[in-house]
Amino acid sequence: DVKVTQSSRYLVKRTGEKVFLECVQDMDHENMFWYRQDPGLGLRLIYFSYDVKMKEKGDIPEGYSVSREKKERFSLILESASTNQTSMYLCASSQPGLTGYEQYFGPGTRLTVT
Amino acid sequence: DQQVKQNSPSLSVQEGRISILNCDYTNSMFDYFLWYKKYPAEGPTFLISISSIKDKNEDGRFTVFLNKSAKHLSLHIVPSQPGDSAVYFCAASGSNFGNEKLTFGTGTRLTIIP
Repeated sequence: DVKVTQSSRYLVKRTGEKVFLECVQDMDHENMFWYRQDPGLGLRLIYFSYDVKMKEKGDIPEGYSVSREKKERFSLILESASTNQTSMYLCASSQPGLTGYEQYFGPGTRLTVT
Repeated sequence: DQQVKQNSPSLSVQEGRISILNCDYTNSMFDYFLWYKKYPAEGPTFLISISSIKDKNEDGRFTVFLNKSAKHLSLHIVPSQPGDSAVYFCAASGSNFGNEKLTFGTGTRLTIIP
């Protein structure tokens, strides 16, 4: 079974803090994704990576950056957290040609910025 | 611009009856569609998918129908069970989108009434 883990289930940070969200997958998948989920807006793609050290912007990259130094690990960075970044953050992975379009998700991190 | 739309934010269905969840899309380049199920405090899990070369795909109690001319897909759950209570997201992608990015709808909260 594919396992995607996220470093924290709940996180509370102050406005202006730098925030790191970590994601690790154990199935050697090439693709990794970061989404945020907000009521009424569904899942929106922030950034994704299709290889180590490669990254591409998703639909809402503003205020975020990412890092992928190792294949299994994909980090989301909020350079200066703001209250409008309070959300549920979901990490996912997939393998081109093997899992097709199916993405496997972690349990999510509920981030509150005060 | 919401390319994948789920116009019903919520749906309540009696246990044992059929649940029908709907999804519309606007981008004619989408050629692969998926349904995900999400419980509170968990990540989404893959449920069922369909390629645009088919108009129906069935897996146990779950059937997805695709009407390409109407740009509409639906998920049927028969019979509905209490454990089906969750938020359901439809998602779309295609070979033209590279790296198997998914575009998600806004979700429908399904409640099964015992």
